[in-house]
Amino acid sequence: NAGVTQTPKFRILKIGQSMTLQCAQDMNHNYMYWYRQDPGMGLKLIYYSVGAGITDKGEVPNGYNVSRSTTEDFPLRLELAAPSQTSVYFCASWTGASGNTIYFGEGSWLTVV
Amino acid sequence: KQEVTQIPAALSVPEGENLVLNCSFTDSAIYNLQWFRQDPGKGLTSLLLIQSSQREQTSGRLNASLDKSSGRSTLYIAASQPGDSATYLCAPYTGFQKLVFGTGTRLLVSP
Repeated sequence: NAGVTQTPKFRILKIGQSMTLQCAQDMNHNYMYWYRQDPGMGLKLIYYSVGAGITDKGEVPNGYNVSRSTTEDFPLRLELAAPSQTSVYFCASWTGASGNTIYFGEGSWLTVV
Repeated sequence: KQEVTQIPAALSVPEGENLVLNCSFTDSAIYNLQWFRQDPGKGLTSLLLIQSSQREQTSGRLNASLDKSSGRSTLYIAASQPGDSATYLCAPYTGFQKLVFGTGTRLLVSP
């Protein structure tokens, strides 16, 4: 049981490039999330999904896209990378049951230069 | 829109002290509230989850309380140790079980 796995852990992108951050969970959780954390700040929600085929925007969705074709995977796509997207990205998953905790991946550090 | 404030922003104490970290939120219509620990350059580790029907949760030297009506939660750390040094994040669950995070309290416990 690996939990929530994010790849890559570190990446440097040039302005205007595109990339996909991968997130996979093996706990059969319906809910999945992408957050970003800027230095010295709390986490902000980018996109979330309540099940395969269903996604919705969070607080800071501009410049990002997601898809959820399977329960296990929730990739985050960055189109036309900008320096403002330099951040740490966290993926998370949750069962949806009130008494269960949310699980976070270890993060992906992205620098746009 | 839910806003979460954590006080103090930073705290430096000698080993052995009992600590109280404060979290306040503007919208009391929350489901649960969770406290996390984050070490530098690392992900988030769940410490305590308080369900909306509960007033507190305890795990070892940690105790978290929740007062939904006043929009407050506190994390109490007993007999602090250098290994407790980290950033502590508070996050209430809002609609569709989305967490809204505060900016955290950065704790340093000196030997």
